[in-house]
Amino acid sequence: GAGVSQTPSNKVTEKGKYVELRCDPISGHTALYWYRQSLGQGPEFLIYFQGTGAADDSGLPNDRFFAVRPEGSVSTLKIQRTERGDSAVYLCASSSQPRLAGGHNEQFFGPGTRLTVL
Amino acid sequence: AQTVTQSQPEMSVQEAETVTLSCTYDTSENNYYLFWYKQPPSRQMILVIRQEAYKQQNATENRFSVNFQKAAKSFSLKISDSQLGDTAMYFCAFQIRNTGKLIFGQGTTLQVKP
Repeated sequence: GAGVSQTPSNKVTEKGKYVELRCDPISGHTALYWYRQSLGQGPEFLIYFQGTGAADDSGLPNDRFFAVRPEGSVSTLKIQRTERGDSAVYLCASSSQPRLAGGHNEQFFGPGTRLTVL
Repeated sequence: AQTVTQSQPEMSVQEAETVTLSCTYDTSENNYYLFWYKQPPSRQMILVIRQEAYKQQNATENRFSVNFQKAAKSFSLKISDSQLGDTAMYFCAFQIRNTGKLIFGQGTTLQVKP
């Protein structure tokens, strides 16, 4: 079956512009995660959804970053007033419903969106 | 706060040889998971192996095995019979049980030479 898909694969924008990054999780996966990976670094957690609600948004760096998942499937990461420091690869992952409440199954990652802010 | 440290930015190994990648972590938690992920140039992060902290037995997956030392907070990955397709960046990651967040190390770039 299809894996996690992310669009666009590359996005170039100018400082100060607004961008939206989209993630399509594996069908039926209830949990969805966003990470940001700067060049030469490991991914950093941004936010995690369980269904439609954000269960943990402690990794969002500031209020310019916002994410939604209105129907519990596709998610959009929104960045306002982009800055050059926002340039990174944004990774999305999804996982299936765990058998035990509060558990977490394997996260399957998408190929990422490379964001470049000029 | 939890941290994950990979002290080897780059490693290389000859095809068919064995290589070990190091990882240490710091946490006050007792229930957690540890992972090794592989990230080839395609950027797609792939799970290699997973270890549950409460299990003393080291996890193995075919050519991949770990040496989990809970007291020392060490979690190294051994790749046996290295193949050209193993060339990638490898990340060690930590997850507190019942939370979704993965905390990654800085990564180790592995080059398998023919």
